[in-house]
Amino acid sequence: TQLLEQSPQFLSIQEGENLTVYCNSSSVFSSLQWYRQEPGEGPVLLVTVVTGGEVKKLKRLTFQFGDARKDSSLHITAAQPGDTGLYLCAGVGGWGKLQFGAGTQVVVTP
Amino acid sequence: DAGVTQSPTHLIKTRGQHVTLRCSPISGHKSVSWYQQVLGQGPQFIFQYYEKEERGRGNFPDRFSARQFPNYSSELNVNALLLGDSALYLCASSHSETHTQYFGPGTRLTVL
Repeated sequence: TQLLEQSPQFLSIQEGENLTVYCNSSSVFSSLQWYRQEPGEGPVLLVTVVTGGEVKKLKRLTFQFGDARKDSSLHITAAQPGDTGLYLCAGVGGWGKLQFGAGTQVVVTP
Repeated sequence: DAGVTQSPTHLIKTRGQHVTLRCSPISGHKSVSWYQQVLGQGPQFIFQYYEKEERGRGNFPDRFSARQFPNYSSELNVNALLLGDSALYLCASSHSETHTQYFGPGTRLTVL
């Protein structure tokens, strides 16, 4: 059972378009992480957000943490084929235990 | 430096058999966690070990067990395999329980 709900489940866009992925939870987490996973590989950490209302930017990726620390979003500007992958959000619990959402599969076509 | 390594990369077993999966953490990392990722789902937490002691266990049956060795490598054992155990098993290592976790490429287990 996934405590974190991600939407949409699948997103297919053309190169150059923008996209937003959402992560919602009924629980409050001390921090939330976003990962990208490519086929045959483990998830790779993109960012950790800690403070409610926090906004972090990583090149063309913008991450927001909701004021109540229960929801987050990932926005990609001018998507490129290299952005293709499974985007996972994870709430960080006790002892660093990660609780993942089901993920959003993003496909960017040239 | 080498990242987290896991072996084998792929494994095919039949129902009722047992399996042992292995993980070598990044050099200097003392914490290892195991996750199960079923197709179409996000990873689910199974175990966390730190300094050879179990620090956390997810909602998995007793058929799942693990241990951590003095060199901080780890094994995940699954007995009496079921079809539903087919998944990608991920190992992650970190300096301590609360530091950033780095994932290995996983072991793909197929149970027939």
